[in-house]
Amino acid sequence: SQQGEEDPQALSIQEGENATMNCSYKTSINNLQWYRQNSGRGLVHLILIRSNEREKHSGRLRVTLDTSKKSSSLLITASRAADTASYFCATDARDYGQNFVFGPGTRLSVLP
Amino acid sequence: DTEVTQTPKHLVMGMTNKKSLKCEQHMGHRAMYWYKQKAKKPPELMFVYSYEKLSINESVPSRFSPECPNSSLLNLHLHALQPEDSALYLCASSLGSLSGNTIYFGEGSWLTVV
Repeated sequence: SQQGEEDPQALSIQEGENATMNCSYKTSINNLQWYRQNSGRGLVHLILIRSNEREKHSGRLRVTLDTSKKSSSLLITASRAADTASYFCATDARDYGQNFVFGPGTRLSVLP
Repeated sequence: DTEVTQTPKHLVMGMTNKKSLKCEQHMGHRAMYWYKQKAKKPPELMFVYSYEKLSINESVPSRFSPECPNSSLLNLHLHALQPEDSALYLCASSLGSLSGNTIYFGEGSWLTVV
């Protein structure tokens, strides 16, 4: 069954703007990770946030986690055309152990 | 070196062929994974190997046969595939199979079954 679900499924913004993507999940998790995938390529790990953390930063990326709402958000600030990609959240569900489940993804287009 | 290498990058095979996808990592990771990804869909887990033993098989048809010859190598043997098996096959690895380990992905092998 699908664990994470991203919102929106597609997002188009201008270069320099901020992009926010949301992820919701159903079961209790140990951690949540965000990945980027350029068209037809492998997935690149962006950030991992553990269930006892509320916010993490990495460069222009800011991830929040609200376990009470079972949701996470990924904020990309000052977006660039090179940020154009699909972004996936993936959850390491507590009950599933090592079964690592991806959400459907958000396709981000950053227009120059 | 955080690299997972997959070969071949592209593979076209007939429904009666036997072929293999290969994956290699030299990061000392002890968990390795195969994922399947269709266009505009998220990756779907197929198999997990932990310490060279198959620990998860997500009810994958037997025409897909994984093999882990050693801790650095992971193969996916393909036989009698169907056109609907055409997809991007992603290999991944992590330090261990326990929670909290970052999973590193290869660039994938594009498979087309004709």
